[in-house]
Amino acid sequence: EVQLVESGGGLVQPGRSMKLSCAASGFTFNNYDMAWVCQAPKKGLEWVATISYDGSSTYYRDSVKGRFTISRDNAKSTLYLQMDSLRSEDTATYYCALMDSGLNWFAYWGQGTLVTVSS
Amino acid sequence: DTVLTQSPALAVSPGERVTISCRASESVSTLMHWYQQKPGQQPTLLIYLASNLESGVPARFSGSGSGTDFTLTIDPVEADDTATYYCQQSWNDPWTFGGGTKLELK
Repeated sequence: EVQLVESGGGLVQPGRSMKLSCAASGFTFNNYDMAWVCQAPKKGLEWVATISYDGSSTYYRDSVKGRFTISRDNAKSTLYLQMDSLRSEDTATYYCALMDSGLNWFAYWGQGTLVTVSS
Repeated sequence: DTVLTQSPALAVSPGERVTISCRASESVSTLMHWYQQKPGQQPTLLIYLASNLESGVPARFSGSGSGTDFTLTIDPVEADDTATYYCQQSWNDPWTFGGGTKLELK
């Protein structure tokens, strides 16, 4: 059974940093591209970033380019999202997602971790 | 960015047939996918590539469309289908989601 468990969320002040983790199990982690998707409170879903199966390629939405860094440790089956220079508009639940093909849909999702950016 | 437009909400009675639409601001070929999100839970994949049913998803769910107009159909609707449904395209960068359609049961 695929399991994705996010951690690392919480309250952070604007301008500060936070690092999210996603522990994966139940599948061969290093065979799959992975992504982060966020959802602001009472709002819709928004793709944030994607990393290729081997970590060689990364992709970001424009609003987080230069501030967020997606990475992975295949030996630990763990996905990360380093979030720097956080803004109030980054407040959201962040979901880790497994991408099941090169055609880029999100096959499995974690339960999410809430990041609140506020002073 | 490719904007995906969905009706905000629908209300139907159990046993009825419901269609949820998603219109794209530009063609996305058949790279359209559908998700279900129940209150307080993470989204789950229902349909990929416009019309392919994800494993384990009841056959009551089906998808159709290509280009700019897509439809998710639930027939018949059951009480457990109360949720918000999102479409997502992966043809154009960045990948985008629709605003969601909240389905309520009467």
